[in-house]
Amino acid sequence: GESVGLHLPTLSVQEGDNSIINCAYSNSASDYFIWYKQESGKGPQFIIDIRSNMDKRQGQRVTVLLNKTVKHLSLQIAATQPGDSAVYFCAENRSGGYQKVTFGIGTKLQVIP
Amino acid sequence: EPEVTQTPSHQVTQMGQEVILRCVPISNHLYFYWYRQILGQKVEFLVSFYNNEISEKSEIFDDQFSVERPDGSNFTLKIRSTKLEDSAMYFCASGEDGTEKLFFGSGTQLSVL
Repeated sequence: GESVGLHLPTLSVQEGDNSIINCAYSNSASDYFIWYKQESGKGPQFIIDIRSNMDKRQGQRVTVLLNKTVKHLSLQIAATQPGDSAVYFCAENRSGGYQKVTFGIGTKLQVIP
Repeated sequence: EPEVTQTPSHQVTQMGQEVILRCVPISNHLYFYWYRQILGQKVEFLVSFYNNEISEKSEIFDDQFSVERPDGSNFTLKIRSTKLEDSAMYFCASGEDGTEKLFFGSGTQLSVL
């Protein structure tokens, strides 16, 4: 079936370095993508989103890149901080009244002080 | 900042018992969701709810599950006869628009013994 998944289950980075978390999706009908951050014991927290008519979107210290050709999504975190340690999920949805956001497996980001 | 609240934070029940998980979505949101997350796994879609009816549901959401919006503020998930495999963290979410970002509660940890 169609799904959203992640390449790397765990990523360790040194504090201050940049982090890149990758995601592959297989539903070509998806046109809206979201990155969520989940800290231990908490619900997913919205980070940034991007629509399929864009290939890049920047937020505060975060950038999402979308490559529709290869169905790939990435989240870049600049100057990673200890507070960035969490599990990051990519998620996808499609417009047209489909009210179902599908999550990928998740990547655990560990920031080394 | 408005948030989705869930009660209880932890629920322990015996197999075969009924449980009701409660959620108060963000007040001006129109779309409501339940997701679950088994420990260490991805966040799985259960059901979406709009205009007092189910919009979409997953294969997990069988006849043992039901949702209700009994008044203008609460959104509940009922499991009629719990099974061991229902043990998971259950997240409620709400959204202003069916395709836009979701706001998640902190979850209810359900343990079925």
